[in-house]
Amino acid sequence: DGGITQSPKYLFRKEGQNVTLSCEQNLNHDAMYWYRQDPGQGLRLIYYSQIVNDFQKGDIAEGYSVSREKKESFPLTVTSAQKNPTAFYLCASRPQGLRTEAFFGQGTRLTVV
Amino acid sequence: EDQVTQSPEALRLQEGESSSLNCSYTVSGLRGLFWYRQDPGKGPEFLFTLYSAGEEKEKERLKATLTKKESFLHITAPKPEDSATYLCAVQAVGTASKLTFGTGTRLQVTL
Repeated sequence: DGGITQSPKYLFRKEGQNVTLSCEQNLNHDAMYWYRQDPGQGLRLIYYSQIVNDFQKGDIAEGYSVSREKKESFPLTVTSAQKNPTAFYLCASRPQGLRTEAFFGQGTRLTVV
Repeated sequence: EDQVTQSPEALRLQEGESSSLNCSYTVSGLRGLFWYRQDPGKGPEFLFTLYSAGEEKEKERLKATLTKKESFLHITAPKPEDSATYLCAVQAVGTASKLTFGTGTRLQVTL
């Protein structure tokens, strides 16, 4: 089955540690995205990538980093510089074209302890 | 700056009681408006895309419409399984593939 796989589903991190969230898609989509979702807030864009080896900052990129070495993979690293990392993180992908929709993974819930 | 405002924040309906959710948007030029459904602890599930004013799309008990300033998601004779958060997002012309989301409407349908 084609889809987007995020792992792990739940992640706990100690303060001061970096952590990497995985996102893999087998839909052959060109564009990939990372969003953060907090209670009562909409999805906020962290980073996005339209092509391999290229990515752009979204609205809340500070304290995060990404890479896009392969078309199917777009990992997100939450660094110790991110002051409020506890949140629900969603990865999405989208095929090339002006009139296409994005498809989401099932999310990773990160908790800083 | 692109903005998306959804109302109401929360809506409680009895089974069979039809209603509408609103999504108002401000963009320099609309490329597409998207509706998603999100269940607790899950990723959003795509429902509809609308591209131009006057366009309408339907799926089961849901119907989405679009004007130049807003979109409505009409829910006809809802069932408890329609309970979820409904998210609206826009893509503006010239913003590459960036989507801007609203904060959603939490819908609860009771027996």
